[in-house]
Amino acid sequence: DTGVSQNPRHKITKRGQNVTFRCDPISEHNRLYWYRQTLGQGPEFLTYFQNEAQLEKSRLLSDRFSAERPKGSFSTLEIQRTEQGDSAMYLCASSLVTIEKLFFGSGTQLSVL
Amino acid sequence: KQEVTQIPAALSVPEGENLVLNCSFTDSAIYNLQWFRQDPGKGLTSLLLIQSSQREQTSGRLNASLDKSSGRSTLYIAASQPGDSATYLCAVIRSGSARQLTFGSGTQLTVLP
Repeated sequence: DTGVSQNPRHKITKRGQNVTFRCDPISEHNRLYWYRQTLGQGPEFLTYFQNEAQLEKSRLLSDRFSAERPKGSFSTLEIQRTEQGDSAMYLCASSLVTIEKLFFGSGTQLSVL
Repeated sequence: KQEVTQIPAALSVPEGENLVLNCSFTDSAIYNLQWFRQDPGKGLTSLLLIQSSQREQTSGRLNASLDKSSGRSTLYIAASQPGDSATYLCAVIRSGSARQLTFGSGTQLTVLP
């Protein structure tokens, strides 16, 4: 399967704990995006990378959130000191620079208790 | 700030019917518009991408149109099937250096057998 892969699929955590999600993009894609989606809403942009450089960050990405893409391959999204409001589906997508058609992974569903 | 609206929020049709989903956006300075499909609990699947210079795109039973001047796009689905049941989302990238997609909240389509 050469699609976008996200792990884990589901994560349940207690408030105040740290969590980390991983995204493996389509191998030849140089852009990688993170979005967050709550029930009944469209996804909201969090951040994106071009190769290893983080080029854009939403104001939604508070200082408890950090994303990395070492070596321009996979990416991780970490949430520190989770809050119940962080409960959402976290979606990763990738694309080529030349053709900005996004391919999404299946997402990581986070539940903060 | 770009805002994307999709009407109706939900739609139920009998199998075989042709249907139109609507999307409107407030800022006509867009780079492209994309239509996605999302099945419950899953990620998004790209259906059609229309560049700002294009008027429409077609794929199989799907046809998407774009009218930048009026800030509108439509997704036409011909001869609907129960397998078309899903949430359909439109999203735009605005012109300029920012590459974030701004999504509507989607139209939940149910095709009844």
